[in-house]
Order: sequence, then structure tokens, then C-alpha cells
Amino acid sequence: QQQVKQSPQSLIVQKGGISIINCAYENTAFDYFPWYQQFPGKGPALLIAIRPDVSEKKEGRFTISFNKSAKQFSLHIMDSQPGDSATYFCAASSPFDYKLSFGAGTTVTVRA
Amino acid sequence: DAGITQSPRYKITETGRQVTLMCHQTWSHSYMFWYRQDLGHGLRLIYYSAAADITDKGEVPDGYVVSRSKTENFPLTLESATRSQTSVYFCASRVTSGGYEQYFGPGTRLTVT
Repeated sequence: QQQVKQSPQSLIVQKGGISIINCAYENTAFDYFPWYQQFPGKGPALLIAIRPDVSEKKEGRFTISFNKSAKQFSLHIMDSQPGDSATYFCAASSPFDYKLSFGAGTTVTVRA
Repeated sequence: DAGITQSPRYKITETGRQVTLMCHQTWSHSYMFWYRQDLGHGLRLIYYSAAADITDKGEVPDGYVVSRSKTENFPLTLESATRSQTSVYFCASRVTSGGYEQYFGPGTRLTVT
């Protein structure tokens, strides 16, 4: 069973628009929530990550919002650019386990 | 600084054949992982390893075998390839402590005919 549920499966956004990807989890032991970005033909690479002691983390145009009580977190891509077109994976990990549980991925297409 | 490499990058094999995918990292990371990526399923963990000679099953281990005699290498073997094992395979590694980030290799695209 997938421990992290991710939606939507795909989205299309116009250049300059906002892309929003949502993830939900059940395991309250999770304490690390990264987002990975993957371009076609490449391996995933860490984009941004958050711990549950903060509700928001921003790096450039990318922001993670975290809602501990709802067990949800989301990635916002502001001012989306064609170069942001990629597949994005959310993930989660607990201090008791060195594995990452990944969401199913969201393919983002930014139209110029 | 090669980081993490995988070979071959592309492989076509026939049903029933044995095939080994190689993974090599130059960072001396303790943890290593094998994932397969299929449309609609994201990244699914096949096997992982905490150190040399320590391996464990992930989410989808059936049909796969791993070994880790050296810290830097983590080969994945399909003992008798099946069409359902057609996929893109990623190897990843992680430091022992101080961070959860996994570093991924470039992937191997495997086609079983």
C-alpha cells in the first residue's frame, strides 16, 4: 500500500501561472518530507524538503506548505516556467527507517 | 567526481534470460537502494542495503536478487527476466547520518521481449 498519496497525476499550466501538487500521508512517525524533481531521461533530484516543525519553506519560486494536523503537504511552483516542466515526486521518511516512501508522481507541463 | 553511475544505460533482453544491472557510487555512502519506475506507480523500492553484506527486501522484491560485497557497488540481478520487469531502474545512495537525502543515478532502461 502506498504510504504517501499524491495528486494530481498530471497538470498543465501556462507560463507565469502557479502549479500546485498535493500529498497526504498516514504515518505520524514521518518527520522528513522532501520533493524530488525529475527531467525526462534523468534520475530524480532533491528539490526542496521540510520538517514538521515549520509550516512553510520557500526556496526561490518553490514553496512547501505543511499541515501537520491534516497530515498533508503541498508544493507550489510560482511564476511557472517552461524549464519547470518535469515530474515531481513527494516523499516521506521517519527517523526509525532510512527508506523514503514516494508518492506516485505528478507530471507538470508549462505551456509558453 | 563521478557520484553514482549505472550501467548499462539501456538493455534489451529476452524472457527467461538473466541480466545484471550495475550501480557504483564514489561517495562511500552506507545506504544504497534500487527502485523501479513505471507509469502510474512512481518509484517503487525493490531492495535496499544499509552496508556491505547487509541487504533487505523493499516493496517489490520478487524476481530480483541483490548483493553488496563492497560498499561502493550494489548490483541488481533479474534471475529469469519477465516482460513485467520491463521498466526504468534507478539506483540511489544516502549518507549514514546527518541527512535523509537520496542521490539517484541516471537510470537503466530495461526492455524484456
